[in-house]
Amino acid sequence: DTGVSQDPRHKITKRGQNVTFRCDPISEHNRLYWYRQTLGQGPEFLTYFQNEAQLEKSRLLSDRFSAERPKGSFSTLEIQRTEQGDSAMYLCASSFPGMNTEAFFGQGTRLTVV
Amino acid sequence: SQKIEQNSEALNIQEGKTATLTCNYTNYSPAYLQWYRQDPGRGPVFLLLIRENEKEKRKERLKVTFDTTLKQSLFHITASQPADSATYLCALSLGQNFVFGPGTRLSVLP
Repeated sequence: DTGVSQDPRHKITKRGQNVTFRCDPISEHNRLYWYRQTLGQGPEFLTYFQNEAQLEKSRLLSDRFSAERPKGSFSTLEIQRTEQGDSAMYLCASSFPGMNTEAFFGQGTRLTVV
Repeated sequence: SQKIEQNSEALNIQEGKTATLTCNYTNYSPAYLQWYRQDPGRGPVFLLLIRENEKEKRKERLKVTFDTTLKQSLFHITASQPADSATYLCALSLGQNFVFGPGTRLSVLP
């Protein structure tokens, strides 16, 4: 296992289209996080999973965003009816459960909505 | 309101000197705090974690302090090198999750 993998690395889409991103975490990790990052800002929390259960979602996450982790392994993040304000880097991270555990991040998916 | 601030958007220092980055927070009570490094176009990479009952943590040329009274963490890189140039992010634990500061872009000049 070489770490957290995200696909695609880059996505350009027209406003109004739906997009889906995939994240493959480190296989032993139960927890999986999605973050969004815009230029010059730190990553902003979107949601996280413990195994297949989605345990927390940010209030900033509109109804257009949905995430799944169907078998507790890989996860997908879908954005429906994309808007220009959705343009950002979408980062996935995974970790062991519990306190005091570091998160391992993927390289991110850069989304550009035109 | 809750806020995390990192000392400055950008910090330039001379090679060989010690870089000191600060992370201040308001209206959080983190059980632990982490520091990450992020290079352009890449995901953050974990560096150090310090718990609320620890005052200091070291790893090679890196040192982190955590003062829960001042609500501040300091991150030091000694004998800095141009390869240390990157953005450094602090992250506070928040329940089962963690929240990031805006980052400080460090440039180490040869």
